[in-house]
Amino acid sequence: EAQVTQNPRYLITVTGKKLTVTCSQNMNHEYMSWYRQDPGLGLRQIYYSMNVEVTDKGDVPEGYKVSRKEKRNFPLILESPSPNQTSLYFCASKRSGTSGSLEQFFGPGTRLTVL
Amino acid sequence: AQKVTQAQTEISVVEKEDVTLDCVYETRDTTYYLFWYKQPPSGELVFLIRRNSFDEQNEISGRYSWNFQKSTSSFNFTITASQVVDSAVYFCALSEAGGTSYGKLTFGQGTILTVHP
Repeated sequence: EAQVTQNPRYLITVTGKKLTVTCSQNMNHEYMSWYRQDPGLGLRQIYYSMNVEVTDKGDVPEGYKVSRKEKRNFPLILESPSPNQTSLYFCASKRSGTSGSLEQFFGPGTRLTVL
Repeated sequence: AQKVTQAQTEISVVEKEDVTLDCVYETRDTTYYLFWYKQPPSGELVFLIRRNSFDEQNEISGRYSWNFQKSTSSFNFTITASQVVDSAVYFCALSEAGGTSYGKLTFGQGTILTVHP
């Protein structure tokens, strides 16, 4: 089954404790992206990757890191989480090609709470 | 810069009523794509429709219909004869054809739809 998986699905942590949210897709997609969802703000892009070893900032990259060492994986790293990073996080992937035209496939979401 | 506005934060209707969710967008690109996603209480994002900027035909899928009007930069979504299962958050989103915003989806704030039995 074609899918995007994220782990963990739920996480409660404390300020300053480094964490990684994993994202993996099995569709051989070149493009992957992370979004965060906050009430009243919709979803906003954090980082994206157009292919292996190619990453770039989205609209809200502060406090996050990413890496793309393999095509299928795109982990989101919070080196020193803070309470304002409490949010619902989505990973997404799509094929390359005519940039914005192709449907993005979203993971199930990771609900993160930073105390 | 691209922007999507969903002015209706919350809508409450009674089952079988028709309901329209508004979406207004801004973009400088002549080629762009518009999307609607549904987020049920379980939290996942469910893709509903994609429209490109060159196709202004309205679309109907069962009880769902979409009205795309470039003249008013709007892409509204109507649910006919609403049902309790339609209760969800609905997002409108825009993606431009290229440039620095390659692949990025810009989402509206979302509209919370509650359908009461």
